[in-house]
Amino acid sequence: SQTIHQWPATLVQPVGSPLSLECTVEGTSNPNLYWYRQAAGRGLQLLFYSVGIGQISSEVPQNLSASRPQDRQFILSSKKLLLSDSGFYLCAWSVLLGGNTEAFFGQGTRLTVV
Amino acid sequence: AQSVTQPDIHITVSEGASLELRCNYSYGATPYLFWYVQSPGQGLQLLLKYFSGDTLVQGIKGFEAEFKRSQSSFNLRKPSVHWSDAAEYFCAVGGLQDYKLSFGAGTTVTVRA
Repeated sequence: SQTIHQWPATLVQPVGSPLSLECTVEGTSNPNLYWYRQAAGRGLQLLFYSVGIGQISSEVPQNLSASRPQDRQFILSSKKLLLSDSGFYLCAWSVLLGGNTEAFFGQGTRLTVV
Repeated sequence: AQSVTQPDIHITVSEGASLELRCNYSYGATPYLFWYVQSPGQGLQLLLKYFSGDTLVQGIKGFEAEFKRSQSSFNLRKPSVHWSDAAEYFCAVGGLQDYKLSFGAGTTVTVRA
C-alpha cells in the first residue's frame, strides 16, 4: 500500500534561518507531488507541484522553493525564513487526478517562525 | 481559472442534528469534486469524491454529497452528526487535464452536546 511521510511534524525557526521540509512517498511510482500551505482562516494554498523528477511548477511568488531530486521525494526549502512563512505545510501525492483517484496527504508540518 | 467557495466559515450544530456544508465551484471543464476532512493538527482525509455518474455520492462516516451542475454546487450532508464530526471540512475541485486540486477556505464544524 502507498504511504506518505512528512517531517518534521513541528518546527520553530528564527527569522532569517534556512528551511528544509522533506516528503517521501512509498508504494507508487511517478506520483504527482504537491506542497500546500494552510494559514489560519485561509484554507489550503497550493505552493508547488511536480509531475516528474526535476519538474517543478510554482503557483505563487514567495520566499520558498521546491525540489524533486528523486521520483518519490519532494523538498520544500527557503534560504531565509520570514515571519509570514509561518503556517501548516502539507505534502500530498496523486497518481492522476483524472483517473478516478484523489490526492493523499501527509500529516503536515507546523512551522513557526519567531 | 478554477476556484472553490465555501460560504460558511464556521457552523455549530447540536449532536444528532443534521448538517449541510455548502460548496460552490468554478471550473472550465468537467469537474472532479472532493470533500476532505481535517482534524486539528492533522493531514486531510478524503470523505468522498465525484467523477461522473450518479450525482448523489456516498462517502465514509455517513456523509453524502450531491453534485448539481446547474448550480455549480457540491454540498456535503450528514443526517445526524456525532461529536467526533467536529473538524474542518474542505471542498476541492480538479479535472481530467489538471494536475492540481484547488481548495476552498474550509468550514469549521463545532458540535455541541
